[in-house]
Amino acid sequence: NAGVTQTPKFRVLKTGQSMTLLCAQDMNHEYMYWYRQDPGMGLRLIHYSVGEGTTAKGEVPDGYNVSRLKKQNFLLGLESAAPSQTSVYFCASSYKGTDFTGELFFGEGSRLTVL
Amino acid sequence: AQSVTQLGSHVSVSEGALVLLRCNYSSSVPPYLFWYVQYPNQGLQLLLKYTTGATLVKGINGFEAEFKKSETSFHLTKPSAHMSDAAEYFCAVSVIGSNYKLTFGKGTLLTVNP
Repeated sequence: NAGVTQTPKFRVLKTGQSMTLLCAQDMNHEYMYWYRQDPGMGLRLIHYSVGEGTTAKGEVPDGYNVSRLKKQNFLLGLESAAPSQTSVYFCASSYKGTDFTGELFFGEGSRLTVL
Repeated sequence: AQSVTQLGSHVSVSEGALVLLRCNYSSSVPPYLFWYVQYPNQGLQLLLKYTTGATLVKGINGFEAEFKKSETSFHLTKPSAHMSDAAEYFCAVSVIGSNYKLTFGKGTLLTVNP
């Protein structure tokens, strides 16, 4: 059972370069999220999606773009990477149910370093 | 907007000792509260949750937490720590109508000493 898969797991970029992180889930979940984790800051929501073709801003969206063209995939893009975007990025998904469980299913993370 | 505050970024206990990780929340509407655990180099996994009903909730690996509205708290406890409990623990809050978005605390790193 794959669950939530993130690629790549590690990446080093130079300032100004662009890249895309891919998140794929095989649980048929409606909701998907991108968080970033920084030491002492916990997890902060970047963008999220409540369904195919829809996205919304989270707490720290600046410098990032997202797309959800297919229900199972949620892409996070950095158009012009900055050192402040050095972080560990987590994708998560959740199903939309009448009983709110609040359980997010997380990927294993993508560690990005911007030099 | 809702928020959580975790008291203590690092807690150290001896194996077999009581584990107490503190979490206080702020919310203008009834909250849903969660504890997640993160083992090194892994994603987060749900430990336990409070949505409605019984205020004392039990989770995996012997952990439990009690929702105390009067104290706006949701502290995590375990009677006897095990070496395998060493991890980072995150308290999180959500409210109905928020598209299941969770707001996380900054985390508490639990160290278990032999």
